[in-house]
Amino acid sequence: GENVEQHPSTLSVQEGDSAVIKCTYSDSASNYFPWYKQELGKGPQLIIDIRSNVGEKKDQRIAVTLNKTAKHFSLHITETQPEDSAVYFCAASEGGGFKTIFGAGTRLFVKA
Amino acid sequence: DTGVSQDPRHKITKRGQNVTFRCDPISEHNRLYWYRQTLGQGPEFLTYFQNEAQLEKSRLLSDRFSAERPKGSFSTLEIQRTEQGDSAMYLCASRHGTGGSPLHFGNGTRLTVT
Repeated sequence: GENVEQHPSTLSVQEGDSAVIKCTYSDSASNYFPWYKQELGKGPQLIIDIRSNVGEKKDQRIAVTLNKTAKHFSLHITETQPEDSAVYFCAASEGGGFKTIFGAGTRLFVKA
Repeated sequence: DTGVSQDPRHKITKRGQNVTFRCDPISEHNRLYWYRQTLGQGPEFLTYFQNEAQLEKSRLLSDRFSAERPKGSFSTLEIQRTEQGDSAMYLCASRHGTGGSPLHFGNGTRLTVT
């Protein structure tokens, strides 16, 4: 069935460094790839998304890249800040479908 | 946009009891989802409504689970005869459009079965 694998499960960086989280997906029909940030006691919140007709998208300190041939996509956070500490989830879905499949999450720690 | 609202935030129940959770989606969103999240895992799909019709249920959803969305607005998720393995965060999400649009999540209901 559909599957999204996410690595690493835990990532610790110094404030100001960059953080990279990588995901792979199995369903070739997937064409929409959102990233969510989940803080303690809250539901996941969308931070950025990318569609399959685009290879890269950037929003201030956050960027996503997509390699559809290899079925890989990545989240890049530059100039990390302590408030970036949270759990990040990648996800994949088919635009015309209904189901969104999530990775297992990456717990990011940004040390001041 | 007042966001997705879930009630209660926390529920502690004894094994064998029934529990019911409520979700109020964003008002203009016609699609509503229930997910379950256990510690250290991503959200797992449980069920999906388009308006009032329940169109898909996961194999994870045993017969003890039932969900409704009677008027295409709020939804309820009931778990009968709870088991300790049901302990998890139950997340509701809504979206306007199909799988190519983002899900908007509530803050979840954390269920603890003792």
